[in-house]
Amino acid sequence: EAGVAQSPRYKIIEKRQSVAFWCNPISGHATLYWYQQILGQGPKLLIQFQNNGVVDDSQLPKDRFSAERLKGVDSTLKIQPAKLEDSAVYLCASSTTTGTYNEQFFGPGTRLTVL
Amino acid sequence: AQSVTQPDIHITVSEGASLELRCNYSYGATPYLFWYVQSPGQGLQLLLKYFSGDTLVQGIKGFEAEFKRSQSSFNLRKPSVHWSDAAEYFCAVAKRTGGGNKLTFGTGTQLKVEL
Repeated sequence: EAGVAQSPRYKIIEKRQSVAFWCNPISGHATLYWYQQILGQGPKLLIQFQNNGVVDDSQLPKDRFSAERLKGVDSTLKIQPAKLEDSAVYLCASSTTTGTYNEQFFGPGTRLTVL
Repeated sequence: AQSVTQPDIHITVSEGASLELRCNYSYGATPYLFWYVQSPGQGLQLLLKYFSGDTLVQGIKGFEAEFKRSQSSFNLRKPSVHWSDAAEYFCAVAKRTGGGNKLTFGTGTQLKVEL
């Protein structure tokens, strides 16, 4: 079974530029998550989708970050304009919606450096 | 609000020695608790989880963890560490949300294994 795919793996941009990340979840997983992991910290949830609807985006900086999940499958996370403090690894995870606990499977992440 | 504290930022052990990584949580109800491992350039991999029942849970790669409600702790242990266990370890607590779980991670413990 293929895992969660993310691209690009690395991205370097200058501040005030825009950037987009792509995530393809495991086939059949209805729930998709985007996390931000700043160096030296644990991952922080930015947004959670169930199918193509947003469940939780309380920690998403909506003035510069946006995310969408087209047709309930792939998702893109965009930053516009980027700031220095956005330098981080952006992790995508997916899970099913059935069962007692829905294990989240993580992709390898996209490492963003903002200069 | 839920939170997780991992008091040890770095730990160094000799190969073959025993290991214990500490985790304390704050959560109003019965917690769902997890340990993840992250190797360099890799996504997060689930080691083990606790929902209810037996307070000693077994995971992959020879790891185990014990849930102690009275101490609000969920420490990770391994009787004999291998060099390949060098990685960063994250403890997390989950809150059920629509169709999934909201994970709150600790800041992580970086494990170094000396040969």
